[in-house]
Amino acid sequence: DTGVSQDPRHKITKRGQNVTFRCDPISEHNRLYWYRQTLGQGPEFLTYFQNEAQLEKSRLLSDRFSAERPKGSFSTLEIQRTEQGDSAMYLCASSPARGTSGGASEQYFGPGTRLTVT
Amino acid sequence: GQNIDQPTEMTATEGAIVQINCTYQTSGFNGLFWYQQHAGEAPTFLSYNVLDGLEEKGRFSSFLSRSKGYSYLLLKELQMKDSASYLCAVRPSGGYQKVTFGIGTKLQVIP
Repeated sequence: DTGVSQDPRHKITKRGQNVTFRCDPISEHNRLYWYRQTLGQGPEFLTYFQNEAQLEKSRLLSDRFSAERPKGSFSTLEIQRTEQGDSAMYLCASSPARGTSGGASEQYFGPGTRLTVT
Repeated sequence: GQNIDQPTEMTATEGAIVQINCTYQTSGFNGLFWYQQHAGEAPTFLSYNVLDGLEEKGRFSSFLSRSKGYSYLLLKELQMKDSASYLCAVRPSGGYQKVTFGIGTKLQVIP
């Protein structure tokens, strides 16, 4: 399977702990995105990388959140001092530089990491 | 900023046609995506409209009117497996990649 993969699929942590998630994009995709999705809502954009450069970052991303993409391949999302409000599905997506629909880059999503903060 | 509205739930009968509407208000607009998301799964790409008009892909079609800030997704010959949430998402202008998603329309297909 050459789709987007995420690890772990599920994470339960206690409030105040740090967690780190990993995303492996489709190998030829240079663009990588992180989203957060809560029940009954659409995905909320967190951040975007083109190769190793983090080019966009949402105001939703407090300074407790950090994302990296060393070498422009896999990416990690770290949440420090987790809070109960951080409980959500964290989705990673990747896209090529140019997509199949009029040049737009459709995003291919991974299965997500479900975080539960107790 | 971006504001996207779509109905939260719809019900339709197997074999029928259903239209899911999406309206948006944006400070800059490049195009509009439709994604399908089955419960507990990741979203999957359906369509991307940049220009006004209707684009057809098999049983699914998507329409865009930029002047009205309006789009719809049309699903024909509904099948039970089409029961899912359908997410409308807007891509901003200026080369930015921050896609804003609506809350999604949960479609239930009944026999």
